[in-house]
Amino acid sequence: DSGVTQTPKHLITATGQRVTLRCSPRSGDLSVYWYQQSLDQGLQFLIQYYNGEERAKGNILERFSAQQFPDLHSELNLSSLELGDSALYFCASSVSGQPTNEKLFFGSGTQLSVL
Amino acid sequence: QQQVKQSPQSLIVQKGGISIINCAYENTAFDYFPWYQQFPGKGPALLIAIRPDVSEKKEGRFTISFNKSAKQFSLHIMDSQPGDSATYFCAPYLNTGFQKLVFGTGTRLLVSP
Repeated sequence: DSGVTQTPKHLITATGQRVTLRCSPRSGDLSVYWYQQSLDQGLQFLIQYYNGEERAKGNILERFSAQQFPDLHSELNLSSLELGDSALYFCASSVSGQPTNEKLFFGSGTQLSVL
Repeated sequence: QQQVKQSPQSLIVQKGGISIINCAYENTAFDYFPWYQQFPGKGPALLIAIRPDVSEKKEGRFTISFNKSAKQFSLHIMDSQPGDSATYFCAPYLNTGFQKLVFGTGTRLLVSP
């Protein structure tokens, strides 16, 4: 168990809908990362937050947004969902946000299916 | 956008054999070279990592070999076991401020009994 909690584990929704994925980092970790994993795109970095502030941004669509709250949990909001958004969404956390001398701990992911 | 290329895409190795996965990168400023292991239904987990001041690091059956001039680093799994069957990702990183941690394309390893 990595200590990173993601909910829900599975999510089935329809095109055009909006969903929220939730992540609770490991106790003491200040940084949260979001990744999207699909068969054709591999593991794609979406966005990183550190202590409530956005720190790095990847190929995150404008339809997607995220935030990190004062209690350090994070939410990833996906709107106007398309079939192509179906993927496994991972949250990861680390202590300082610079994973050179520390591990990045991943949750077990949320499997999103857009029908 | 840092370019990271892994090879092979998939690999089948007999139990007891040696598995070798390669990662090629373009950014010569990278200063941290980790490998992550991912089992089905789980998130990736850090397996082993190396800094550029050493050419090799060994942890149990897992070894990273680093070739700075060729801009490559590889993961060697000695005495491969069926439990090693997983997807492996390299994720070279630049420790300057907050940088994106970009993963390689992944290598699916199957160790046959």
